[in-house]
Amino acid sequence: GQQVMQIPQYQHVQEGEDFTTYCNSSTTLSNIQWYKQRPGGHPVFLIQLVKSGEVKKQKRLTFQFGEAKKNSSLHITATQTTDVGTYFCAGRGTGGFKTIFGAGTRLFVKA
Amino acid sequence: EAGVTQFPSHSVIEKGQTVTLRCDPISGHDNLYWYRRVMGKEIKFLLHFVKESKQDESGMPNNRFLAERTGGTYSTLKVQPAELEDSGVYFCASSPRLAGAGNEQFFGPGTRLTVL
Repeated sequence: GQQVMQIPQYQHVQEGEDFTTYCNSSTTLSNIQWYKQRPGGHPVFLIQLVKSGEVKKQKRLTFQFGEAKKNSSLHITATQTTDVGTYFCAGRGTGGFKTIFGAGTRLFVKA
Repeated sequence: EAGVTQFPSHSVIEKGQTVTLRCDPISGHDNLYWYRRVMGKEIKFLLHFVKESKQDESGMPNNRFLAERTGGTYSTLKVQPAELEDSGVYFCASSPRLAGAGNEQFFGPGTRLTVL
């Protein structure tokens, strides 16, 4: 079945450093979504990518969808302590409506 | 507008007991999803309702899990009898249209289930 792998599992950065999390699917995706879960909270939608090679930006966050629509990345420039949390990618395959989540990348930011 | 609510927030039960989790989606959202996250692992899909009908229940682990959504409003997820491996955080999410069509899912706060 479809699998979505996400790396790294966790990352510690100094405030001001950049951060990237990567997501890879075993099958071609029709779209991919990104969610953020703050410690003790619940996943909150960040963005959705649909087109091959798509790049979207939200302030310091840059989201990319690969040309083959099988991988995606989230890059945070100049991290802040408010960026802490777990970032999940969630992909939908082309053959159905189920959304498959990655295991998440937990980001720790040291002030 | 009220968000997705879940009850209880925490539940601690012994192996073999029964637990029922409840989810109230955002009013008007036809699509309701149940997920489970075991510590450090992925948010695993359990099932998807469209109104009162089960659209996809392929993620349900076994027949100890029973989900219902009578009337197409709130949903319950019953685990009977509970086993140790059922521990985790159970999230409910809703969306106004099919999440598979690219619409965001609104998550509830989750129910943390601990089976001793």
